[in-house]
This record gives sequence, structure tokens and C-alpha cells, in this order.
Amino acid sequence: EIVLTQSPATLSVSPGEGATLSCRASQSVVSNLAWYQQKPGQAPRLLIYGASTRATGTPARFTGSGYGTDFTLTISSLQSDDFALYYCQHDNNWPRYTFGQGTKLEIK
Amino acid sequence: QLQLQESGPGLVRPSETLSLTCTASGGSISSSNYYWGWIRQPPGKGLEWIGNIHYSGSTYYNPSLTSRVTMSVDTSKNQFSLNLTSVTAADTSVYYCARGRFYYGTDVWGQGTTVTVSS
Repeated sequence: EIVLTQSPATLSVSPGEGATLSCRASQSVVSNLAWYQQKPGQAPRLLIYGASTRATGTPARFTGSGYGTDFTLTISSLQSDDFALYYCQHDNNWPRYTFGQGTKLEIK
Repeated sequence: QLQLQESGPGLVRPSETLSLTCTASGGSISSSNYYWGWIRQPPGKGLEWIGNIHYSGSTYYNPSLTSRVTMSVDTSKNQFSLNLTSVTAADTSVYYCARGRFYYGTDVWGQGTTVTVSS
């Protein structure tokens, strides 16, 4: 089973600054990686798929990158709406998949 | 636009079976490209994939839950369902149904339904 490890667990950033979230896979998932945003009381929302492709409606300030085992979600110029939980997910063993444990992006 | 809605009891007694249904509207679940899944989230914790089902009936389960999970699909009602047997307090979670496609992520989610296991 491929394990996804996200870091840091919590990231404190001021509005207007940028943030970098990491997701590392225990073995290669090629580019079969997605990122999700979850706000309190809401279902997760797909942000990025294929490691770097923005889903419909994802703002351009969200950028996904990486290949193989190391992936990054970069958010430039953070807005108040961006402070949330973020999860990565791989589907390299589709139709099975797993999630990382999440990163909480909080206001500094 | 496809929407998904979970339904089922909000309270289940320990050792009993948790049963949930997801109803799709605004689109058909009879698409070869997609799998229909269940994901859960215990209070204050992360997301756990439970399983996926194809409209043809093919199922894939999380190895940690496979002995207790059964999923089914009813294309005539545009629904798919989850049964989780022998529940304990550890199964208390928000349960989401969702649509997924290889490489393209899980792009449509239900709003989630809270299930509490308690006597």
C-alpha cells in the first residue's frame, strides 16, 4: 500500500503571503495525484488532478507540481478564503486510492 | 450538473449494520468512465476511502474494511449503497459519497451525512 505523508501538519501564514504544502509518496505514483481543499462543515473540493492540472473553478493562484514521490501545492498571495484543510490523494492503484493525513493552513 | 445526496440513519447501535444510500441527480451513474465511492471522516480526523463501485457492479474496498463492507448499485434508481457490518464507536464519522475517475480525481461529492454509533 502506498502511503502519502503530508507536511507540515499545520502551516501558519499571513494573508497576502504564499504557502507551500508538501505531499510525499512512499513509492512512485507517477503523476496520479490530486489535491483537495476542505473547509469546516463542508465536503472536500477537488483543486488539482494529474499533479498539476487545475480543476474547473480552481483559481490560478493554486499551483500543483511534482512527479513520482514528491509533490507540492503552492498557493500564492493567500486570501482569507484559502485558509482551510488540504489533502492529497493518489489513485495509482485505481480504482483504489488513499489520502494523505492533511495539512491545516491557518492564519498567522 | 450532477449532484449526490447521502441518506440513511444518523444513529446506529454497536454491532449492528450501518446502511447508507447515495442518490444521483442531474446525471446518470451508468457511465463507464466513473466509479462511485464512499469516503468517511471521523470527527476531527482525516479522510478515509471506504470503497468504489462501478455501475456494472464491480467493487473495490479498502483492505482495512473489506471484511465488513458491501457496496451495491441500482441503476434504475440512479443510486448506490453502502453496508458496513458490526459497527463500533470507531465507525462514527461523516460519510461522503462521491464520483471519481482515474487520473481526474474525485470531482463530485455529496454534502456528507453524520453517522454516530452509540447505544
